[in-house]
Amino acid sequence: ILNVEQSPQSLHVQEGDSTNFTCSFPSSNFYALHWYRWETAKSPEALFVMTLNGDEKKKGRISATLNTKEGYSYLYIKGSQPEDSATYLCAFNAGGTSYGKLTFGQGTILTVHP
Amino acid sequence: EPEVTQTPSHQVTQMGQEVILRCVPISNHLYFYWYRQILGQKVEFLVSFYNNEISEKSEIFDDQFSVERPDGSNFTLKIRSTKLEDSAMYFCARRQGYETQYFGPGTRLLVL
Repeated sequence: ILNVEQSPQSLHVQEGDSTNFTCSFPSSNFYALHWYRWETAKSPEALFVMTLNGDEKKKGRISATLNTKEGYSYLYIKGSQPEDSATYLCAFNAGGTSYGKLTFGQGTILTVHP
Repeated sequence: EPEVTQTPSHQVTQMGQEVILRCVPISNHLYFYWYRQILGQKVEFLVSFYNNEISEKSEIFDDQFSVERPDGSNFTLKIRSTKLEDSAMYFCARRQGYETQYFGPGTRLLVL
């Protein structure tokens, strides 16, 4: 059974603060690691797909890093804004014949206070 | 990216009733997925569908569940006889490119 864990479970920050969350996943049989941003009543929005050890990806103020050898990924938000408030999900995609099946972490709920 | 839509957005049903959840409209996509999230729990994989066949399913996806593409575009998830524990948010996803899965907004199912 694959286990994907995220921390912290929730986070409250002030507008302008920078923050980061962690996703840990199995270090064996790795294929890809996904990050999603999910606002209530909306579709989870794909942020990044990361496949290579040492990958760093950036989208605006949000960036992510990947360490497949030790099985973790960090998501960073620089200068948080109230509109960044959402649940951030990571999902692990194992190799082999999984046809893209994603195993999700429990998510980190971010609240950015004005 | 092309949008994934789902209907209905909410459904309330009685235990033992059949429900059909839909992804509409989708065309030219090969890979489809259903996931669900029971309140307070992780999003969990149900089934993947490739080239009009089930390619992988979880242990949750028992004989009460089925998927199909009845008209080549809509992608449906049927639960034949709903149980209380089927209450969850159900997400459809499709994969067009190499890896990224794009999710619909979900159908919230409540079984009474």
